Parts: sequence; structure tokens; C-alpha cells
Amino acid sequence: GAVVSQHPSRVICKSGTSVKIECRSLDFQATTMFWYRQFPKQSLMLMATSNEGSKATYEQGVEKDKFLINHASLTLSTLTVTSAHPEDSSFYICSAGRDTNYGYTFGSGTRLTVV
Amino acid sequence: QQQVKQSPQSLIVQKGGISIINCAYENTAFDYFPWYQQFPGKGPALLIAIRPDVSEKKEGRFTISFNKSAKQFSLHIMDSQPGDSATYFCAAGQGGSEKLVFGKGTKLTVNP
Repeated sequence: GAVVSQHPSRVICKSGTSVKIECRSLDFQATTMFWYRQFPKQSLMLMATSNEGSKATYEQGVEKDKFLINHASLTLSTLTVTSAHPEDSSFYICSAGRDTNYGYTFGSGTRLTVV
Repeated sequence: QQQVKQSPQSLIVQKGGISIINCAYENTAFDYFPWYQQFPGKGPALLIAIRPDVSEKKEGRFTISFNKSAKQFSLHIMDSQPGDSATYFCAAGQGGSEKLVFGKGTKLTVNP
């Protein structure tokens, strides 16, 4: 149980375009999902907390207008990187959990390359 | 106070040896301490987790030792195998397993 699917696994886009990344909980409902960013050989940095039916909560220093998060249903959260620039190139990972007793499961990540 | 300090940054162990990774935290409100294993290009996978009411938890070859007074916890991998070669992250959470603060990671290499 507690399977989290993330799509796409890799995406290359041109500077100035927008990219949408999907995070789905396949076998459970997730009222909360988290979005992380990871630079090469570095740790995971929490970007925002996605709450179903309400606005996302962004961590300090994360541009909410650049990284749009939508959590429209209990099984889907999306992260849209708007007007992407090369410095947005990174590994983006989502996580979701059934409840606190089970812990949170991570998706397989999305490698974004902006050229 | 939200930091989790992890050491060592890298670790090389011979097959069959014991791998030990340590983490320390400051925030006494943390009550959930998971360890994640990450292979290149993949998302982290939960390996084992502990809560402050126990001092040790073992699952197969993986053991977490937890020292509440010292605010430290460690991961021990017994009989390390080449397939264990990965990056390991400790983390700490508050109010269950919600928002996690991650250590910087340890790259483990197990030589055959």
C-alpha cells in the first residue's frame, strides 16, 4: 500500500515555458502532499505543503507565483513551474501519506532540465 | 533549531561489514525519526523509522538506535552488501510524520 506515482519522470523544456508535474496517491487518499526539490548530490529541500481544497503553504524563499501548486482532489497534486529558467533545473519530488502511523511515501521524482 | 546534522558525508565499507550513520537534532519537539534510502535518479524510499518512546528498532539488517537525552539517532546496517550502496538520509518530523527536515545525506559504498 501507500503508492505514490509521479509523472513525468524526465522533462526537458525551453526557457520561458511552463512545466506541470503530477503527483498521485494510487491506493489511498492524501489530504496533504509535500513538494521537495533536490540539487545534485544534495539533500531534499521542502518547497511547499499542498493541502487538498485550499491554498498551498510555501516555505520561506520559495516563489509561490513561480511554483504553482494545485491540490484539487484527494489523490492528485500538481506542481507547475512557470516561466522556467535554467536555474530551475533540478530534481523535484513529491511525497504523500495515508496517516501519521504509516509515514510518508515519496514519488519517484521528476528530473527537470530547462534549456 | 530545525536542522538535522548527519555524518559522515561519505562512507566506504567492505562487504559483510557494519555501516554506521549518525544524526543529531536540536528541536526537542521532533517525535518521528525516519531513515530513507535513495538510489541515483529515484525518489527516497522509507527504510525504517523510530519514535522517541523506544531506544532501538530493528528490521532485518537495519537497526535504528535512538538516544533521547543526547538528541542523537543512528542507522546501523549489519552485513552490508554491495546492493546497499546508495545515499542515506535521516530526517526528523514533528506532529507525526508530516513536514520532514532532512539531513544532508551519506553516500554509502559497499565494496565487494
